[in-house]
Amino acid sequence: EAQVTQNPRYLITVTGKKLTVTCSQNMNHEYMSWYRQDPGLGLRQIYYSMNVEVTDKGDVPEGYKVSRKEKRNFPLILESPSPNQTSLYFCASSLGATSNQPQHFGDGTRLSIL
Amino acid sequence: EDQVTQSPEALRLQEGESSSLNCSYTVSGLRGLFWYRQDPGKGPEFLFTLYSAGEEKEKERLKATLTKKESFLHITAPKPEDSATYLCAVRDAGGTSYGKLTFGQGTILTVHP
Repeated sequence: EAQVTQNPRYLITVTGKKLTVTCSQNMNHEYMSWYRQDPGLGLRQIYYSMNVEVTDKGDVPEGYKVSRKEKRNFPLILESPSPNQTSLYFCASSLGATSNQPQHFGDGTRLSIL
Repeated sequence: EDQVTQSPEALRLQEGESSSLNCSYTVSGLRGLFWYRQDPGKGPEFLFTLYSAGEEKEKERLKATLTKKESFLHITAPKPEDSATYLCAVRDAGGTSYGKLTFGQGTILTVHP
């Protein structure tokens, strides 16, 4: 089954404790992206990757890191999480950035930073 | 800067009562407008892509249309299972952030039996 898989689905942690949210897709997609979803603000892009070893900032990249060492994986790293990063996070992938293929989303990771 | 505004924020319908959701957008050049459905606890699920003014797409009780400034999602004779948040997003043809989707805040649709 074609899918985008995120782990963990839920995480409660404390300020400053490094964490990684994994994202994996099995569709051989070139383009991957991370979004955060907050009430009243909608979905906002954090980082995206056009292909392996190619990443760039979205609208709200501060406090986050990403890497794209393999085509299928695009982990999101919070090196020193803070309470304002409490949010619902979604990973998405699509065939390419310049095509009009739709982005497919994972089921989300709900992070709570205390 | 790309902007997407959806209205209404919430819509309550009786089963069978048809209505429309609106998505107004501002982009320098439209590469595509996307409609998604999001159920509680799930990621957005793709519904339609529209590319140019005048285009229409249909899927079951849903029909999406596009003009140069807005898109409508028409829901005909809705059922309770159509209850969800509907998201509109645009992809700009220009800019430096290739592939980025700019989302509206969504319309929460509730269909009562």
